[in-house]
Amino acid sequence: GDSVTQMEGPVTLSEEAFLTINCTYTATGYPSLFWYVQYPGEGLQLLLKATKADDKGSNKGFEATYRKETTSFHLEKGSVQVSDSAVYFCALHRQGGSEKLVFGKGTKLTVNP
Amino acid sequence: GAGVSQSPSNKVTEKGKDVELRCDPISGHTALYWYRQSLGQGLEFLIYFQGNSAPDKSGLPSDRFSAERTGGSVSTLTIQRTQQEDSAVYLCASSLAPGGGNIQYFGAGTRLSVL
Repeated sequence: GDSVTQMEGPVTLSEEAFLTINCTYTATGYPSLFWYVQYPGEGLQLLLKATKADDKGSNKGFEATYRKETTSFHLEKGSVQVSDSAVYFCALHRQGGSEKLVFGKGTKLTVNP
Repeated sequence: GAGVSQSPSNKVTEKGKDVELRCDPISGHTALYWYRQSLGQGLEFLIYFQGNSAPDKSGLPSDRFSAERTGGSVSTLTIQRTQQEDSAVYLCASSLAPGGGNIQYFGAGTRLSVL
């Protein structure tokens, strides 16, 4: 079945450090890929998405590129801030299958000043 | 409303009791989803409603779980005879329509604790 694997956390960085959170997927066909973020005490929010191969999603300084050849959608940010501290979830939606999102287990990021 | 609203935000219950969790989706959204977020299991899909179509119940973990959506809007997730393993955060999401191009917007969730 469809699955998403993302790097286990927690990840702790200093402010202005470079961030990478790895995400790989298994799915038939061409799924849409998403990064969701969950700030403390809040619900999940969409951070960015990509719907086809080689698409780059970007938002709030975060980027991720849909790589079909490596079935990956790694999240990157060049300079993290304390306010980026949150849990990040990679997810996929497979067209033609169930309408559900399939999530990775989440990666907790803490950014220290 | 401006976003997906869930109530209660926290629920503590005793093992064996029934609980009802409520979700108010974003106005105009035809698709509604329930997920469960638990330690060690991540986010799991439970059930999906789209318009007047039969719901996709493929994620419900047992027959103790059921959900309904009245009038194409508000949804209630019911857990009967709760067990300790039901303790989790239950998340509701809605989208304008189904499909990967349509963003699912999530509520803040209901934290269920079964004692």
